[in-house]
Amino acid sequence: DQQVKQNSPSLSVQEGRISILNCDYTNSMFDYFLWYKKYPAEGPTFLISISSIKDKNEDGRFTVFLNKSAKHLSLHIVPSQPGDSAVYFCAAVNSGSARQLTFGSGTQLTVLP
Amino acid sequence: KAGVTQTPRYLIKTRGQQVTLSCSPISGHRSVSWYQQTPGQGLQFLFEYFSETQRNKGNFPGRFSGRQFSNSRSEMNVSTLELGDSALYLCASSPDGVNYGYTFGSGTRLTVV
Repeated sequence: DQQVKQNSPSLSVQEGRISILNCDYTNSMFDYFLWYKKYPAEGPTFLISISSIKDKNEDGRFTVFLNKSAKHLSLHIVPSQPGDSAVYFCAAVNSGSARQLTFGSGTQLTVLP
Repeated sequence: KAGVTQTPRYLIKTRGQQVTLSCSPISGHRSVSWYQQTPGQGLQFLFEYFSETQRNKGNFPGRFSGRQFSNSRSEMNVSTLELGDSALYLCASSPDGVNYGYTFGSGTRLTVV
């Protein structure tokens, strides 16, 4: 049973436009969420996170939105750059119990010049 | 400062053999986690160590084991290798495991033939 889902395996966006990556979760015990970026042959790189007490967190070009009632989060990248092309994973944590990240299956973002 | 170092980068083993993978966390990081990445299952949590103690374990058979040394370096061992164990094994470190922005290594690509 996939507790964290990224339903779009791929996304293509024009350079300079907004990229929106989506993630849904089913476990209501998750209270902390993260986004990682992964290039081929490298490990995931932490991008941005959000606690369930917030509905938005911003860091430069990256903003994460959390809708707890819908169990949905999204990552906005504005403006998108060709160097953003990578696989993006969302991950969730139940901070009250296991210290483990539950990952989605990833979305391949391609930013076209 | 140096990142998370995993050795070896690539490994080819035969079914039935056993393998040991190594991970050196960022200096000062005491929490080390291991993840398996496969095309079909995505990134899955194996186990987490903190101060030489296994704190959490994912849903993997007993053939998968690990340990952590007093210098926080960690090893994972897979015995009686199966073809399905072919995967990218990622190690991640964190100062204490409470900060979930884990830093990942580049992984060890294990191929079982």
